[in-house]
Amino acid sequence: QKEVEQDPGPLSVPEGAIVSLNCTYSNSAFQYFMWYRQYSRKGPELLMYTYSSGNKEDGRFTAQVDKSSKYISLFIRDSQPSDSATYLCAMSDTPNSGGSNYKLTFGKGTLLTVNP
Amino acid sequence: SQTIHQWPATLVQPVGSPLSLECTVEGTSNPNLYWYRQAAGRGLQLLFYSVGIGQISSEVPQNLSASRPQDRQFILSSKKLLLSDSGFYLCAWSVPSGSRQYTEAFFGQGTRLTVV
Repeated sequence: QKEVEQDPGPLSVPEGAIVSLNCTYSNSAFQYFMWYRQYSRKGPELLMYTYSSGNKEDGRFTAQVDKSSKYISLFIRDSQPSDSATYLCAMSDTPNSGGSNYKLTFGKGTLLTVNP
Repeated sequence: SQTIHQWPATLVQPVGSPLSLECTVEGTSNPNLYWYRQAAGRGLQLLFYSVGIGQISSEVPQNLSASRPQDRQFILSSKKLLLSDSGFYLCAWSVPSGSRQYTEAFFGQGTRLTVV
């Protein structure tokens, strides 16, 4: 079983739709969870991060973490064509858990297209 | 503010030729530095990370090596490229984990390497 599973898509939605992107993971030591957005031929840029379980909102983006289910989500409201990109989830554990948060474990990314 | 520079953006090299990719970070001291490779359908693979000058950790055995001659400079090298070395190479940095619990990574714009 891979440490992080992410549906690669592609996912195609009309402009204005609510988008739900998800990752599951197997390592219960993961404490920090991130979402990156990557436009074609560019480096990933950090969108959001959360610590442990809970929700975090930033504008049209909401990140959710459910540690009991080992499941994280990113919701995009009122999606725009400019949101078309690959979305990568990433996570790390902490030195306190015996791990090292030097390293992030990434999902393979979901390709999203928002059609005007 | 911190910035990360990575060059070249695109590179086409023949099999058996050497490789040198350079990455520099500005606006921060003693960052953790990373080299990732992103291949289609395989997600982001961590190749090397460094927590200080001259300190390199390798994540996977391969035809590549890394060096950190200065605090904010990270170099990815190969003596003889293989076809399988083709991919999108990304440099990233994060703040040292000792200064905070959480360490998100920030990426450069990547180098697309094609070995022919």
